[in-house]
Amino acid sequence: SQQGEEDPQALSIQEGENATMNCSYKTSINNLQWYRQNSGRGLVHLILIRSNEREKHSGRLRVTLDTSKKSSSLLITASRAADTASYFCATASGGSYIPTFGRGTSLIVHP
Amino acid sequence: DAGVIQSPRHEVTEMGQEVTLRCKPISGHNSLFWYRQTMMRGLELLIYFNNNVPIDDSGMPEDRFSAKMPNASFSTLKIQPSEPRDSAVYFCASSLASGTGYTFGSGTRLTVV
Repeated sequence: SQQGEEDPQALSIQEGENATMNCSYKTSINNLQWYRQNSGRGLVHLILIRSNEREKHSGRLRVTLDTSKKSSSLLITASRAADTASYFCATASGGSYIPTFGRGTSLIVHP
Repeated sequence: DAGVIQSPRHEVTEMGQEVTLRCKPISGHNSLFWYRQTMMRGLELLIYFNNNVPIDDSGMPEDRFSAKMPNASFSTLKIQPSEPRDSAVYFCASSLASGTGYTFGSGTRLTVV
């Protein structure tokens, strides 16, 4: 079964706006990762956040982790049309560091 | 580095035929993963290798599926015989170590008719 579930399933915004995607999971995790997938391509690793971390940044990306709520969010600031893609969270839990992927959020950024 | 290389990019085959998908991981990465992606089931882990040794193949759907990693730079996923329900995009990914991000290949889109 899939551990992380993204919300919303789809998001449509205008260029320049911020995009926020959420990921909820059920059991305690070792780490949580966010990936991007452009249409017809493989997944690209964006950020890994460990269970003892609360926030990480990479360029226009900001990831937060709230282990008490078992949730994470990915914020893309000042979005661009090129950010149009599906975004997946992947969680590793228990004794395994092998992540399980959610179904993804489809983001469309209109120019 | 050219990244994770998969071949072929597209494969169309008739039901009952054998299909072999190939993957070359990033040099120096010691873990390799095979995933399958469909609209219905999302991204599923089929099998993964650590230092060329299969660690967990519990995701392999049936005995029709097999995977090998004869050396650190090459892996294959074979389906024999193939069925229409095997149609999906198959991804190979590699990573340097546990708890780090994966690098995915561009995938093989398999269509079984």
